[in-house]
Amino acid sequence: SQQGEEDPQALSIQEGENATMNCSYKTSINNLQWYRQNSGRGLVHLILIRSNEREKHSGRLRVTLDTSKKSSSLLITASRAADTASYFCATDSGTASKLTFGTGTRLQVTL
Amino acid sequence: DAGITQSPRHKVTETGTPVTLRCHQTENHRYMYWYRQDPGHGLRLIHYSYGVKDTDKGEVSDGYSVSRSKTEDFLLTLESATSSQTSVYFCAISNGQPQANTFGSGTRLTVV
Repeated sequence: SQQGEEDPQALSIQEGENATMNCSYKTSINNLQWYRQNSGRGLVHLILIRSNEREKHSGRLRVTLDTSKKSSSLLITASRAADTASYFCATDSGTASKLTFGTGTRLQVTL
Repeated sequence: DAGITQSPRHKVTETGTPVTLRCHQTENHRYMYWYRQDPGHGLRLIHYSYGVKDTDKGEVSDGYSVSRSKTEDFLLTLESATSSQTSVYFCAISNGQPQANTFGSGTRLTVV
């Protein structure tokens, strides 16, 4: 079963705009992670936020976590065409750093 | 992807044949994982390993077995491939919490 549900499933924006993706999950977590996947490629880790953190920044990325609502959001500011990819949230809920993934958001950034 | 390689990258096989996918790491990480990715499902965990000869089942383990005889290598075997096992398979590694998984480039398996 999927732990995370992501919203929207697809997002199309113009270069320079901000992109926001949301993730909801079902169980308590140790941490939540966001990954990017370019078409036909493997997943690349973007950012990890621990359950006791509420917000985290990395370059143009901003992640928030609300454990009371079991939700997280990823904001990409000043999007570029190179940000075009699928974005996945993943939760680490137990031992051995096993991840449960959401179904992903496909982001298209046009010039 | 640095430190983790999967082989083969692509494979086409017939229903009923055995198939083994290999994951090799050079990072000396304790944990290794096999995920499969299908449209509409994201990635789902098949099996994982927490040490040499220590493995456990994930969410979608039916029809798959794994082995880890040394730290560097984690093998995924489909004993008798079925069309429902057509998928993209990803290996990942981790050194424990809190740490992200590092993913391989994937193996695209088609069962005809």
